[in-house]
Amino acid sequence: RKEVEQDPGPFNVPEGATVAFNCTYSNSASQSFFWYRQDCRKEPKLLMSVYSSGNEDGRFTAQLNRASQYISLLIRDSKLSDSATYLCVVNISSPAGGQNFVFGPGTRLSVLP
Amino acid sequence: DTGVSQNPRHKITKRGQNVTFRCDPISEHNRLYWYRQTLGQGPEFLTYFQNEAQLEKSRLLSDRFSAERPKGSFSTLEIQRTEQGDSAMYLCASSRTEVEQYFGPGTRLTVT
Repeated sequence: RKEVEQDPGPFNVPEGATVAFNCTYSNSASQSFFWYRQDCRKEPKLLMSVYSSGNEDGRFTAQLNRASQYISLLIRDSKLSDSATYLCVVNISSPAGGQNFVFGPGTRLSVLP
Repeated sequence: DTGVSQNPRHKITKRGQNVTFRCDPISEHNRLYWYRQTLGQGPEFLTYFQNEAQLEKSRLLSDRFSAERPKGSFSTLEIQRTEQGDSAMYLCASSRTEVEQYFGPGTRLTVT
């Protein structure tokens, strides 16, 4: 089983639609969680961190369920510019100070006019 | 431009040759990461430095791969005796905290 799994995609949605991405992780020692966005042939960029209490940034809402080891991202009123690959990321810190960021395979979103 | 820079941007090499990539992080960032990414996959963690100390190394990383960050600033990633399976995009990222990583544009390696 992969450490971080995501919806296989691609998701093709019309402008204005609401779309939800799901992510599960296998290592219960995971400590911090993120969603990154990667445009075609570009480097990944942080979209938002994910907290247990849930967090919202404009049209984007992220949720974390530690008990189920599940992370979600909701995009409301999707725009053409939201078309990208969305990467779920978990971080496992070691007592010695090491950091291991594990990226999921990504879910590609295409927002259609 | 004060972002993360990587050189070269593209490298074509023959199987069996050694290659070295360089990463210059954002100047005040003490954390530096190397990743490898192949088409259709997310970045795969390779190694992590805090200042000059290499604190984490993926168990998937073979002994042909080595990384250094001698003065806690720029870093190099060397691949010895390259194989065709090493063909990928090699990404470097830096950060000041464990939250947001800033990625460079990557070095695309093609092994023929």
